[in-house]
Amino acid sequence: SAVISQKPSRDICQRGTSLTIQCQVDSQVTMMFWYRQQPGQSLTLIATANQGSEATYESGFVIDKFPISRPNLTFSTLTVSNMSPEDSSIYLCSVFDGYEKLFFGSGTQLSVL
Amino acid sequence: AQTVTQSQPEMSVQEAETVTLSCTYDTSENNYYLFWYKQPPSRQMILVIRQEAYKQQNATENRFSVNFQKAAKSFSLKISDSQLGDTAMYFCAFMKRASGTYKYIFGTGTRLKVLA
Repeated sequence: SAVISQKPSRDICQRGTSLTIQCQVDSQVTMMFWYRQQPGQSLTLIATANQGSEATYESGFVIDKFPISRPNLTFSTLTVSNMSPEDSSIYLCSVFDGYEKLFFGSGTQLSVL
Repeated sequence: AQTVTQSQPEMSVQEAETVTLSCTYDTSENNYYLFWYKQPPSRQMILVIRQEAYKQQNATENRFSVNFQKAAKSFSLKISDSQLGDTAMYFCAFMKRASGTYKYIFGTGTRLKVLA
């Protein structure tokens, strides 16, 4: 199984600022995904991070708000831009192992004041 | 569209006892996968068990087993000999291949508390 390192583990941010979350995988993976988990809720897919091309966003999520980079097959970043209290959530990086299994990073707990 | 329903928001079980978590799903697909994930307070999502829809045999992983009823679209998780470390949020998930990628749909979760 892939080992996923996600940073930061938590942060408290001011309204209007931006936060970049990093996701590092210990092996090359084709598919990387970013999820949001709002307080007490289930997981919602934000986007699929594509290596060498623009991310594919799900309905309700836009690139200006959640820009994603994927410079290689082991690394991706998600930026939460112009934050508001409604962005307070857990953000999870995940990778697909090619055998129908999805593995997750430890998540980033974001609080926006 | 596929949906995943977990009708038990919270459950509790005595240590060493057995507990069953329910999950139902709705799909018109024939080929798909089902999963149970565990999320302890550490936030780490951990894969507990996986079931391929084309397999009739129920998946088993140590103390964890599933009861997969394809016709009824039911996928329950049984935890035997419950341990304090099993205390966590449990999510049922459905996965299918679509448009060159893989679509996962998660249920709303069941919070399980194992009591000493």
